[in-house]
Amino acid sequence: GENVEQHPSTLSVQEGDSAVIKCTYSDSASNYFPWYKQELGKRPQLIIDIRSNVGEKKDQRIAVTLNKTAKHFSLHITETQPEDSAVYFCAARRDTPLVFGKGTRLSVIA
Amino acid sequence: DTEVTQTPKHLVMGMTNKKSLKCEQHMGHRAMYWYKQKAKKPPELMFVYSYEKLSINESVPSRFSPECPNSSLLNLHLHALQPEDSALYLCASSQGGRGPYEQYFGPGTRLTVT
Repeated sequence: GENVEQHPSTLSVQEGDSAVIKCTYSDSASNYFPWYKQELGKRPQLIIDIRSNVGEKKDQRIAVTLNKTAKHFSLHITETQPEDSAVYFCAARRDTPLVFGKGTRLSVIA
Repeated sequence: DTEVTQTPKHLVMGMTNKKSLKCEQHMGHRAMYWYKQKAKKPPELMFVYSYEKLSINESVPSRFSPECPNSSLLNLHLHALQPEDSALYLCASSQGGRGPYEQYFGPGTRLTVT
């Protein structure tokens, strides 16, 4: 089955700097890669996703890149703000339920 | 509207109690999920309903019993729980059981078993 590895487990950045979180997956047939943001005590919120037929997708300050050959995808957050502080989960799927990475705790220091 | 709702928000129950968690979505999604989430961990899949039929049970103990009365509703019946079952229980839904579909989570029920 699918296995998703996520790094780093914790990340601290200064406000205004960029943050990058990386994930690798094992099943080359996976075709959908979402990213979720979870603030303390709240639900995981879908913030961006990418499908296997595209290499990059951007939405304002966040972007996701996908390298199908290397089987990895990354979340990029630019101009970080304190409200970006949260746990971020990557996930992957094809025809099965989502398989999640272990999460990255991002802290943006003002 | 991408909203999944869950009730109650918080639940405290004793080990001999019977209670139910409820989930509702009106997005026309045909796949609904129950997850369990412990602190600092990713959501852990429990059950999947696809077109109102149970399609996946991730070897969940029988003290958890799911029910899908119709395409918009999902219940999780609880009885004889253990303290280690205390967690955030999340419901989610997506367009179908297979395919590259967005999956949306409800706000969760914070369950404490005493």
